[in-house]
Amino acid sequence: SAVISQKPSRDICQRGTSLTIQCQVDSQVTMMFWYRQQPGQSLTLIATANQGSEATYESGFVIDKFPISRPNLTFSTLTVSNMSPEDSSIYLCSVAHLKVAGENTGELFFGEGSRLTVL
Amino acid sequence: GEDVEQSLFLSVREGDSSVINCTYTDSSSTYLYWYKQEPGAGLQLLTYIFSNMDMKQDQRLTVLLNKKDKHLSLRIADTQTGDSAIYFCAPDMGRRALTFGSGTRLQVQP
Repeated sequence: SAVISQKPSRDICQRGTSLTIQCQVDSQVTMMFWYRQQPGQSLTLIATANQGSEATYESGFVIDKFPISRPNLTFSTLTVSNMSPEDSSIYLCSVAHLKVAGENTGELFFGEGSRLTVL
Repeated sequence: GEDVEQSLFLSVREGDSSVINCTYTDSSSTYLYWYKQEPGAGLQLLTYIFSNMDMKQDQRLTVLLNKKDKHLSLRIADTQTGDSAIYFCAPDMGRRALTFGSGTRLQVQP
């Protein structure tokens, strides 16, 4: 398994500001993803963080609003830009482990999440 | 409709069995997962099933897969109060990123 640390764990933000969430993994992982979980809702994939290149965004999410960096195999950041109350959510970093022949089943591991409240 | 659907709420008495159902639209999934989310916590992998299996049992958990009907279920035997949580069905839909259902909130009454 992988140990995933997210910072901040929670924050209260003012409308119009931006916040960067960090995700640190204790081992090298092939893939990192960012999900959003709005209050009382399921998880929605925002983007796949690609090492050394631009992230791949899902429909409805754009780079200007959610810029993502992934400088190496163990670290990624997600910025929520120009926040509005609709951005109040839990943002979750998720990783898929290095695949080893005959091992692991592709499950995703999740951080504890970053709970953002936008006033 | 949604790609992955679940009923939103299930209430059972302690000691009874719980069955949480999930239907999905894409038949390309290789693995189908069940995750558990307790209040204020992240997601924890509970169990999974490989697509060429019909059933998988893991202690109190039984996963049933009907590929023809694209139906997945999770049965929890002898449900305990500690099982109260939200349970998410998540087939891989042929991708490394998972697609999550709406989640079923399981409430266990003493």
